[in-house]
Amino acid sequence: QSALTQPASVSGSPGQSITISCTGTSSDVGAYNYVSWYQQHPGKAPKLMIYEVTNRPSGVSNRFSGSKSGNTASLTISGLQAEDEADYYCSSYTSTSTVVFGGGTKLTVL
Amino acid sequence: QVQLQESGPGLVKPSQDLSLICSVSGGSISSGNYYWSWIRQHPGKGLEWIGYIYYSGSTYYNPSLKSRVSISVDTSKNQFSLKLSSVTAADTAVYYCARKGNYYTFDYWGQGTLVPVSS
Repeated sequence: QSALTQPASVSGSPGQSITISCTGTSSDVGAYNYVSWYQQHPGKAPKLMIYEVTNRPSGVSNRFSGSKSGNTASLTISGLQAEDEADYYCSSYTSTSTVVFGGGTKLTVL
Repeated sequence: QVQLQESGPGLVKPSQDLSLICSVSGGSISSGNYYWSWIRQHPGKGLEWIGYIYYSGSTYYNPSLKSRVSISVDTSKNQFSLKLSSVTAADTAVYYCARKGNYYTFDYWGQGTLVPVSS
């Protein structure tokens, strides 16, 4: 199975909004609403930020939102803050009952 | 609050087997509709799903690793384990255990353990 495609890096200034894309296929992202997003700070374990495309776990800021169109899912972070600087990964359930991650996107807050 | 903790050897030699244990606290590994997972991250790289197991023993593996991977569960100890056979330097990674909750989401993670493969 091939990894989902994410941009290697994105950047934005404090207060701005950024969007990270996650492109898969009709066998994973396009087939199911089981897309999740994770935030990972250096040396730390990933943290769940979005599940089932659009849902936020309790305690996650409403500045984080998710969406999907066709084979591409997106994570949007509004009102960027310095603490948002991290790596972000998407994941999806697949038609072969497995899970695939994206390659990761490094977010830099300028 | 569910907590997961990986444990295992700090170094594995090439061609040997890599074995890790994940201890679960704050909840029973046998309760709920959860699968117990292993995920790894090569140094400076992205996340790679290895596989997961249900408390009954039902397993799912990454096709690219399936021939070398075995995940097992010990409900009496509230633990699950990973065995990766015939390792090479390419298996050097931080290995995480995690709980797969509903919606194919990993909602609780261990802190991760770095396993170097070197002679």
